[in-house]
Amino acid sequence: AQSVAQPEDQVNVAEGNPLTVKCTYSVSGNPYLFWYVQYPNRGLQFLLKYITGDNLVKGSYGFEAEFNKSQTSFHLKKPSALVSDSALYFCAVRDMTDSWGKLQFGAGTQVVVTP
Amino acid sequence: SAVISQKPSRDICQRGTSLTIQCQVDSQVTMMFWYRQQPGQSLTLIATANQGSEATYESGFVIDKFPISRPNLTFSTLTVSNMSPEDSSIYLCSVDAGKVNEQFFGPGTRLTVL
Repeated sequence: AQSVAQPEDQVNVAEGNPLTVKCTYSVSGNPYLFWYVQYPNRGLQFLLKYITGDNLVKGSYGFEAEFNKSQTSFHLKKPSALVSDSALYFCAVRDMTDSWGKLQFGAGTQVVVTP
Repeated sequence: SAVISQKPSRDICQRGTSLTIQCQVDSQVTMMFWYRQQPGQSLTLIATANQGSEATYESGFVIDKFPISRPNLTFSTLTVSNMSPEDSSIYLCSVDAGKVNEQFFGPGTRLTVL
C-alpha cells in the first residue's frame, strides 16, 4: 500500500522569500507523484507531476518539485513566494503497479505568505 | 485537461434527507472518482465509477449510503443518503485525463447537514 506524509501542517513565509513544502512517500513499485493546490472554496488544481525522467519537474505558477528517490521525497518549491500563493497544498502518489493506480493524498500543508 | 462541473455548488440539508450531486465532464472519460473532504481534512476516496459497471467502494463506504450512477462517459451522480451532521463535507468529483492519468477535479459541493 502507498502512503504520503506531509510533515508540516502549516508553512509561513514572507513574500519574496523561497517557499518549500515537504512531502515524503512510500510505495511498493514505481511512484507517480503529484502536487495539487486548493484555494478557499475551490476544488483542487493540478500543479505538477513526476513520472520518469528529470528529477526536477517544473509546473504551473512558477512552482517546481524535486524527486529524490533515495530519500523518497518530492518537495515542492518556489524561488520567490507571492501572497497569492497562500493556499492548501496536497502531495499525492500513485503506485502504478496497482491495477487501479489509486491516488493517495497527504494530509495537506497550509501555506501562508505574508506581505 | 478536462473541465468538470458539479451541481449544486453548495447546499444546506436537514438530517435524514438525501442529496444527489451531479458531475459533468466536457470530454469522455473512462474512470470517474468521488472524494470526500471533511472540514480541515485531506481527501478520502469514496468510490470509483466506471461506465457500464457497478461502482467500487473504498473501505468504510457502502452503496446504501452513497449510491452512485454512471450512465455515460461524461456524467456521474453521487447521492448522500439519510444524512447526518457527520456527512457535512466537501464532495469532489474527479476524472482521469491527460497523458499519464493525472486526475482533474471539479470545484466541489459543500454540504452542510443540520
